[in-house]
Amino acid sequence: EADIYQTPRYLVIGTGKKITLECSQTMGHDKMYWYQQDPGMELHLIHYSYGVNSTEKGDLSSESTVSRIRTEHFPLTLESARPSHTSQYLCASSFPGRYGYTFGSGTRLTVV
Amino acid sequence: AQRVTQPEKLLSVFKGAPVELKCNYSYSGSPELFWYVQYSRQRLQLLLRHISRESIKGFTADLNKGETSFHLKKPFAQEEDSAMYYCALKKNSGNTPLVFGKGTRLSVIA
Repeated sequence: EADIYQTPRYLVIGTGKKITLECSQTMGHDKMYWYQQDPGMELHLIHYSYGVNSTEKGDLSSESTVSRIRTEHFPLTLESARPSHTSQYLCASSFPGRYGYTFGSGTRLTVV
Repeated sequence: AQRVTQPEKLLSVFKGAPVELKCNYSYSGSPELFWYVQYSRQRLQLLLRHISRESIKGFTADLNKGETSFHLKKPFAQEEDSAMYYCALKKNSGNTPLVFGKGTRLSVIA
């Protein structure tokens, strides 16, 4: 089924660990995005990509990095997790034009 | 820079009462506007787009360029409408991501 998938759904990890949050979509969308959703439920754009080998930083300063080697895959990596990274991370994708985004189910990250 | 303002963090209404979730934007060009909804334990999903001029689940929203607003309305609230609602804006030129408001939590009381 064409959709956008995020793994893992929940992750508890120790400070200083390196982690990668996975996001894949099977809809053939060329645009993909990562948002951080804080406890107040506000959404902050942290990275986006408009195609293979294209990545941009969003509005929220983030210590994470992303890559886009394949159209369908847009992983987010934290080299050294800190408690301040505790949040929910949402991945989304879209087609060009006047359409909305399709969001994944999110990864809830807790850094202890 | 474009900005989306949702002045109410929480809105509580009784079942059957009218609902209006406010959204104001700042952008000098012609924007594209959206409402997204997130029900409890579900994904964030598109509710409606201003360009479609549609009614989804009884909700409508009209773009008022003079007041730079895109308020979401429903004449009779239902309990299942309880959710988090986000207004979002996209510039009508160039390749830029959506800008989201901070969201309004709607609580419909039986």
